[in-house]
Amino acid sequence: DAGITQSPRHKVTETGTPVTLRCHQTENHRYMYWYRQDPGHGLRLIHYSYGVKDTDKGEVSDGYSVSRSKTEDFLLTLESATSSQTSVYFCAISRDRGTGELFFGEGSRLTVL
Amino acid sequence: DQQVKQNSPSLSVQEGRISILNCDYTNSMFDYFLWYKKYPAEGPTFLISISSIKDKNEDGRFTVFLNKSAKHLSLHIVPSQPGDSAVYFCAASARGSNYQLIWGAGTKLIIKP
Repeated sequence: DAGITQSPRHKVTETGTPVTLRCHQTENHRYMYWYRQDPGHGLRLIHYSYGVKDTDKGEVSDGYSVSRSKTEDFLLTLESATSSQTSVYFCAISRDRGTGELFFGEGSRLTVL
Repeated sequence: DQQVKQNSPSLSVQEGRISILNCDYTNSMFDYFLWYKKYPAEGPTFLISISSIKDKNEDGRFTVFLNKSAKHLSLHIVPSQPGDSAVYFCAASARGSNYQLIWGAGTKLIIKP
């Protein structure tokens, strides 16, 4: 199994508070991704990174920011959490982009009250 | 506008029989298709993929078929085993979209003993 850890695994917070989710990898893969999974929607890409300090937006990036200061860490920040951001968040990594073969973390369940 | 659709939210199959999971897509630019499997409280794991230049790819008990004219792909599992009970996601990517994966909503497969 690819070495990917997400933290925290569960978090309950209140509307308007900032939240940061962390993804840490030990595989030295170039690409890192943040997805959210909601019922009826499958997985939707929030942001991704193609190298240290190189990031780009996905299809549902509004309300989220990311940072990647080291190869192994990719942070997802909700500056001011809203109830619509209640979801399960998955981090994924890949060696390249062409094959689409991603390795996922176990997920972080976020509840915004 | 869902570009990748899995119209069956769930499917129940007898152990030992064939499981057929279906996926339809609308974007003719998709050139790579993947299936992922997900157990509860875990991240998705890559199962099998197929390039648009092929119409079939086989890996053990799993075979993916691609019908480009119908914009349809299917995953066959033969024979179905209890450990195959999971949610299956199909995903597609296009070189022109920087290989961003577009995911279906998933089909929950239940294998009955």
